[in-house]
Amino acid sequence: QQQVKQSPQSLIVQKGGISIINCAYENTAFDYFPWYQQFPGKGPALLIAIRPDVSEKKEGRFTISFNKSAKQFSLHIMDSQPGDSATYFCAASTNAGKSTFGDGTTLTVKP
Amino acid sequence: DADVTQTPRNRITKTGKRIMLECSQTKGHDRMYWYRQDPGLGLRLIYYSFDVKDINKGEISDGYSVSRQAQAKFSLSLESAIPNQTALYFCATGMGGRELFFGEGSRLTVL
Repeated sequence: QQQVKQSPQSLIVQKGGISIINCAYENTAFDYFPWYQQFPGKGPALLIAIRPDVSEKKEGRFTISFNKSAKQFSLHIMDSQPGDSATYFCAASTNAGKSTFGDGTTLTVKP
Repeated sequence: DADVTQTPRNRITKTGKRIMLECSQTKGHDRMYWYRQDPGLGLRLIYYSFDVKDINKGEISDGYSVSRQAQAKFSLSLESAIPNQTALYFCATGMGGRELFFGEGSRLTVL
Protein backbone atom coordinates (compact mmCIF):
# COMPACT_ATOMS: atom_id res chain seq x y z
CA GLN A 1 0.00 0.00 0.00
CA GLN A 2 1.51 3.26 -1.11
CA GLN A 3 1.19 5.69 1.74
CA VAL A 4 2.08 8.85 -0.17
CA LYS A 5 0.78 9.29 -3.70
CA GLN A 6 2.36 11.98 -5.85
CA SER A 7 1.19 13.41 -9.16
CA PRO A 8 1.93 14.13 -11.91
CA GLN A 9 4.88 11.89 -12.72
CA SER A 10 6.23 14.52 -15.09
CA LEU A 11 5.43 18.15 -15.76
CA ILE A 12 6.46 20.60 -18.46
CA VAL A 13 5.97 24.31 -17.80
CA GLN A 14 6.94 27.42 -19.70
CA LYS A 15 9.31 29.89 -18.11
CA GLY A 16 7.36 32.25 -15.90
CA GLY A 17 4.50 29.82 -15.41
CA ILE A 18 3.25 28.13 -12.26
CA SER A 19 4.27 24.55 -11.51
CA ILE A 20 1.95 22.55 -9.28
CA ILE A 21 2.72 19.14 -7.81
CA ASN A 22 0.21 17.29 -5.68
CA CYS A 23 0.51 14.68 -2.95
CA ALA A 24 -2.01 12.71 -0.93
CA TYR A 25 -1.48 10.59 2.14
CA GLU A 26 -3.43 7.99 4.08
CA ASN A 27 -1.74 7.66 7.45
CA THR A 28 -3.08 10.22 9.92
CA ALA A 29 0.00 9.65 12.09
CA PHE A 30 2.04 11.71 9.62
CA ASP A 31 2.72 15.07 11.19
CA TYR A 32 5.42 16.69 9.09
CA PHE A 33 5.47 17.18 5.34
CA PRO A 34 8.73 18.17 3.63
CA TRP A 35 9.47 18.59 -0.06
CA TYR A 36 12.82 17.68 -1.54
CA GLN A 37 14.45 18.86 -4.77
CA GLN A 38 16.88 16.63 -6.64
CA PHE A 39 19.12 17.67 -9.52
CA PRO A 40 20.71 15.04 -11.79
CA GLY A 41 23.71 13.40 -10.16
CA LYS A 42 22.89 14.83 -6.76
CA GLY A 43 21.09 13.69 -3.67
CA PRO A 44 17.69 15.10 -2.72
CA ALA A 45 17.87 18.35 -0.78
CA LEU A 46 15.26 19.75 1.56
CA LEU A 47 13.33 22.56 -0.13
CA ILE A 48 10.47 23.52 2.15
CA ALA A 49 8.35 21.81 4.81
CA ILE A 50 5.05 22.29 6.61
CA ARG A 51 3.31 21.09 9.74
CA PRO A 52 -0.40 20.16 9.57
CA ASP A 53 -1.50 22.98 11.87
CA VAL A 54 -0.66 25.45 9.09
CA SER A 55 -2.59 25.68 5.81
CA GLU A 56 0.10 27.41 3.80
CA LYS A 57 3.81 28.13 3.94
CA LYS A 58 5.70 30.33 1.54
CA GLU A 59 9.43 30.66 0.98
CA GLY A 60 10.32 32.86 -1.96
CA ARG A 61 8.74 31.42 -5.10
CA PHE A 62 7.89 28.13 -3.38
CA THR A 63 4.61 27.60 -1.53
CA ILE A 64 3.16 24.55 0.19
CA SER A 65 -0.61 24.37 0.48
CA PHE A 66 -1.95 21.89 3.03
CA ASN A 67 -5.50 20.50 3.36
CA LYS A 68 -5.68 18.40 6.50
CA SER A 69 -9.26 17.25 6.07
CA ALA A 70 -8.57 16.01 2.55
CA LYS A 71 -5.16 14.63 3.52
CA GLN A 72 -3.58 16.43 0.61
CA PHE A 73 -0.75 18.88 0.15
CA SER A 74 0.81 20.53 -2.85
CA LEU A 75 3.88 22.43 -3.95
CA HIS A 76 3.45 25.55 -6.05
CA ILE A 77 6.43 27.07 -7.84
CA MET A 78 5.63 30.59 -8.98
CA ASP A 79 7.45 32.25 -11.89
CA SER A 80 9.08 28.92 -12.77
CA GLN A 81 12.61 29.17 -14.11
CA PRO A 82 14.74 26.76 -16.17
CA GLY A 83 16.96 26.37 -13.12
CA ASP A 84 13.97 24.87 -11.30
CA SER A 85 14.10 21.88 -13.65
CA ALA A 86 14.63 18.94 -11.31
CA THR A 87 12.86 16.02 -9.69
CA TYR A 88 10.67 16.91 -6.74
CA PHE A 89 9.68 14.50 -3.98
CA CYS A 90 7.02 15.02 -1.39
CA ALA A 91 7.44 13.20 1.90
CA ALA A 92 5.56 12.58 5.09
CA SER A 93 7.08 11.74 8.43
CA THR A 94 5.95 10.69 11.87
CA ASN A 95 7.35 11.47 15.31
CA ALA A 96 9.03 8.04 15.10
CA GLY A 97 11.54 9.60 12.73
CA LYS A 98 10.68 7.70 9.57
CA SER A 99 9.90 9.40 6.29
CA THR A 100 7.79 8.02 3.45
CA PHE A 101 8.35 9.48 0.01
CA GLY A 102 6.18 9.97 -3.03
CA ASP A 103 7.38 8.58 -6.34
CA GLY A 104 8.70 11.92 -7.56
CA THR A 105 7.80 14.44 -10.25
CA THR A 106 10.22 15.40 -12.99
CA LEU A 107 9.76 19.09 -13.74
CA THR A 108 11.03 20.62 -16.96
CA VAL A 109 10.80 24.39 -17.36
CA LYS A 110 11.16 25.45 -20.98
CA PRO A 111 12.83 28.78 -21.70
CA ASP B 1 33.77 18.75 2.15
CA ALA B 2 30.30 17.31 1.95
CA ASP B 3 28.37 16.82 5.18
CA VAL B 4 27.29 13.33 4.10
CA THR B 5 29.89 11.40 2.11
CA GLN B 6 29.22 8.18 0.27
CA THR B 7 31.79 5.82 -1.20
CA PRO B 8 32.08 4.54 -3.82
CA ARG B 9 30.09 6.90 -6.06
CA ASN B 10 29.92 4.32 -8.83
CA ARG B 11 30.43 0.59 -8.75
CA ILE B 12 29.99 -2.15 -11.31
CA THR B 13 30.05 -5.69 -10.03
CA LYS B 14 29.00 -9.19 -10.96
CA THR B 15 26.19 -11.36 -9.68
CA GLY B 16 27.11 -13.14 -6.46
CA LYS B 17 29.77 -10.68 -5.35
CA ARG B 18 29.72 -9.05 -1.92
CA ILE B 19 29.48 -5.27 -2.03
CA MET B 20 29.78 -2.66 0.70
CA LEU B 21 28.64 0.93 0.37
CA GLU B 22 29.95 3.29 3.01
CA CYS B 23 28.55 6.48 4.46
CA SER B 24 30.09 8.99 6.81
CA GLN B 25 28.69 12.26 8.14
CA THR B 26 30.04 15.35 9.81
CA LYS B 27 26.67 16.82 10.79
CA GLY B 28 26.65 15.20 14.23
CA HIS B 29 23.22 13.70 13.63
CA ASP B 30 22.14 10.66 15.60
CA ARG B 31 19.95 9.12 12.92
CA MET B 32 21.19 7.55 9.71
CA TYR B 33 19.30 5.95 6.86
CA TRP B 34 19.87 3.98 3.66
CA TYR B 35 17.45 4.52 0.78
CA ARG B 36 17.24 3.01 -2.65
CA GLN B 37 16.07 5.03 -5.67
CA ASP B 38 14.69 3.42 -8.79
CA PRO B 39 13.14 5.36 -11.71
CA GLY B 40 9.47 6.01 -11.02
CA LEU B 41 9.58 4.38 -7.60
CA GLY B 42 10.77 7.23 -5.46
CA LEU B 43 12.95 6.59 -2.44
CA ARG B 44 12.43 3.37 -0.53
CA LEU B 45 13.86 2.80 2.94
CA ILE B 46 16.23 -0.15 3.31
CA TYR B 47 17.53 0.22 6.88
CA TYR B 48 17.75 2.92 9.48
CA SER B 49 19.59 3.48 12.73
CA PHE B 50 18.75 5.87 15.55
CA ASP B 51 22.04 5.32 17.35
CA VAL B 52 25.00 2.94 17.31
CA LYS B 53 23.14 0.17 19.12
CA ASP B 54 19.85 0.60 17.28
CA ILE B 55 19.36 -0.92 13.80
CA ASN B 56 15.96 -1.27 12.17
CA LYS B 57 14.70 -2.81 8.95
CA GLY B 58 12.94 -0.62 6.43
CA GLU B 59 10.42 -1.62 3.80
CA ILE B 60 12.89 -3.39 1.47
CA SER B 61 15.60 -4.91 3.70
CA ASP B 62 15.73 -8.39 2.14
CA GLY B 63 19.14 -9.04 0.56
CA TYR B 64 20.80 -6.19 2.48
CA SER B 65 22.55 -5.78 5.81
CA VAL B 66 23.99 -2.78 7.61
CA SER B 67 26.55 -1.89 10.22
CA ARG B 68 26.69 1.26 12.37
CA GLN B 69 30.37 1.40 13.22
CA ALA B 70 30.17 4.76 14.96
CA GLN B 71 27.74 7.63 15.27
CA ALA B 72 29.19 9.07 12.08
CA LYS B 73 29.48 5.87 10.01
CA PHE B 74 26.79 3.63 8.55
CA SER B 75 27.56 1.03 5.91
CA LEU B 76 25.27 -1.00 3.67
CA SER B 77 26.23 -4.48 2.46
CA LEU B 78 24.89 -6.68 -0.28
CA GLU B 79 26.05 -10.17 0.70
CA SER B 80 25.45 -11.69 -2.73
CA ALA B 81 24.54 -9.06 -5.29
CA ILE B 82 21.86 -9.77 -7.89
CA PRO B 83 20.92 -7.76 -11.01
CA ASN B 84 17.67 -6.40 -9.56
CA GLN B 85 19.74 -4.64 -6.91
CA THR B 86 21.04 -2.36 -9.64
CA ALA B 87 19.97 1.06 -8.39
CA LEU B 88 21.02 4.39 -6.97
CA TYR B 89 21.61 4.18 -3.22
CA PHE B 90 21.43 7.15 -0.88
CA CYS B 91 22.59 7.57 2.66
CA ALA B 92 20.80 10.21 4.72
CA THR B 93 21.10 11.66 8.19
CA GLY B 94 18.72 13.52 10.45
CA MET B 95 18.63 14.81 14.00
CA GLY B 96 14.97 14.13 14.72
CA GLY B 97 14.37 12.29 11.49
CA ARG B 98 11.80 14.70 10.10
CA GLU B 99 14.19 16.49 7.78
CA LEU B 100 16.81 14.41 6.04
CA PHE B 101 20.19 15.36 4.64
CA PHE B 102 21.29 13.14 1.79
CA GLY B 103 24.65 12.16 0.37
CA GLU B 104 25.25 12.38 -3.36
CA GLY B 105 24.47 8.75 -3.97
CA SER B 106 26.21 5.52 -4.93
CA ARG B 107 25.27 4.12 -8.32
CA LEU B 108 25.50 0.33 -8.26
CA THR B 109 25.30 -1.86 -11.36
CA VAL B 110 25.12 -5.61 -10.92
CA LEU B 111 25.84 -7.56 -14.11
